[in-house]
Amino acid sequence: AQKVTQAQTEISVVEKEDVTLDCVYETRDTTYYLFWYKQPPSGELVFLIRRNSFDEQNEISGRYSWNFQKSTSSFNFTITASQVVDSAVYFCALRKNDMRFGAGTRLTVKP
Amino acid sequence: NAGVTQTPKFRVLKTGQSMTLLCAQDMNHEYMYWYRQDPGMGLRLIHYSVGEGTTAKGEVPDGYNVSRLKKQNFLLGLESAAPSQTSVYFCASSYADRFYEQYFGPGTRLTVT
Repeated sequence: AQKVTQAQTEISVVEKEDVTLDCVYETRDTTYYLFWYKQPPSGELVFLIRRNSFDEQNEISGRYSWNFQKSTSSFNFTITASQVVDSAVYFCALRKNDMRFGAGTRLTVKP
Repeated sequence: NAGVTQTPKFRVLKTGQSMTLLCAQDMNHEYMYWYRQDPGMGLRLIHYSVGEGTTAKGEVPDGYNVSRLKKQNFLLGLESAAPSQTSVYFCASSYADRFYEQYFGPGTRLTVT
């Protein structure tokens, strides 16, 4: 069975704070993909990143960074120096044959 | 380039009524998907299609049917709506060799009373 858990339902930070969104997944497969999507208030989901199960290198893209740890089945997402425009719901997802999403974490960044 | 569009944006149905949601994409994507989003549940895959004329069940297919008669369109049908189908429905599409990068439509908010 495949399952994605985002234990943080809501997070609120003040602008310029760093924030980490947690994602823990379960799968029996050895080959799979992990993703993060952003859903801003407009509603449309925006693809942020994917990782395949064989690539445990962390990735940094501007203020965004991702930490994939297979040993703990986690794929955490960190936003450095958060901005108000980062306010959104963020979804972690796992894919083997079909896509399984976590319940999402609502991030509010206050000015 | 409109991307992924969905029709309608909002709809209210009475229990037992039927309706069809239309998804259209102009990116020549091979794959298309229908998801539903419920509070606290994230997105769940209803059905998907890997090409014209083909469809497959996702995680929560019961109560829905789909058709992909044209590559650019993916229809989601509710034959007899139930209150449990109140949700926001998202369509998405992707290239076959980049299935991980899905492009989402704006969503359809459906209420069944």
